[in-house]
Amino acid sequence: QSVLTQPPSASGTPGQRVIISCSGSSSNIEISSVNWYQHLPGTAPKLLIYTNDRRPSGVPDRFSGSKSGTSASLAISGLQSEDEADYYCTAWDHSLNGWLFGGGTKLTVL
Amino acid sequence: QVQLVQSGPEVKKPGASVKVSCKASGYTFTTYGISWVRQAPGQGLEWVGWTSPYNDNTNYAREFQARVTMTTDTSTSTAYMELRSLRSDDTAIYFCAREGSYYEDGGYYYSFDYWGQGTLVTVSS
Repeated sequence: QSVLTQPPSASGTPGQRVIISCSGSSSNIEISSVNWYQHLPGTAPKLLIYTNDRRPSGVPDRFSGSKSGTSASLAISGLQSEDEADYYCTAWDHSLNGWLFGGGTKLTVL
Repeated sequence: QVQLVQSGPEVKKPGASVKVSCKASGYTFTTYGISWVRQAPGQGLEWVGWTSPYNDNTNYAREFQARVTMTTDTSTSTAYMELRSLRSDDTAIYFCAREGSYYEDGGYYYSFDYWGQGTLVTVSS
């Protein structure tokens, strides 16, 4: 089964830069674009990055995305306490013919 | 503004069925697909499937194919997800999400750009 692998947790202090990775395979990330979502428990997930590196209107430029080969990354610079949330990467998997979500990364702002 | 408003919480017994609704407003309903995503307690997000209000096409994740049906009612701009033969591990928050898309450089690109507030489905005897 194809999966997208994320670290279960990440942390940083206010003002720091944090990078969250997302590892996939030749049937998903390598040939599909990657989207990232921010999810606060009890709320609806929010689109943070689409098509690898694009930000929807209203998303601060502290958030950036990149993709190379079978992996993608989300970078958050100038970390703020309000960034404490779960972050998920997603990509279309061409073998499964469906969307895959990463397992999610819980970001803690120390 | 775009809004997706879901139906209220449900409590079901194992083996029963549940039907969750998702009413869209603020855009042309038939222009965008609707996906359903769930989150079980303590778990991550999981894609359940997709439906097109334009032509009723569907695409279900393999693990749900035998038990799920997604439909739409264009007269009320509402999408529905029915899950049958419920098990305790179907206990989760179910979200609907609009699948936004755009065309660029010869390809289409998709993302879940708007989400419903979620519906808690509890399966318990």
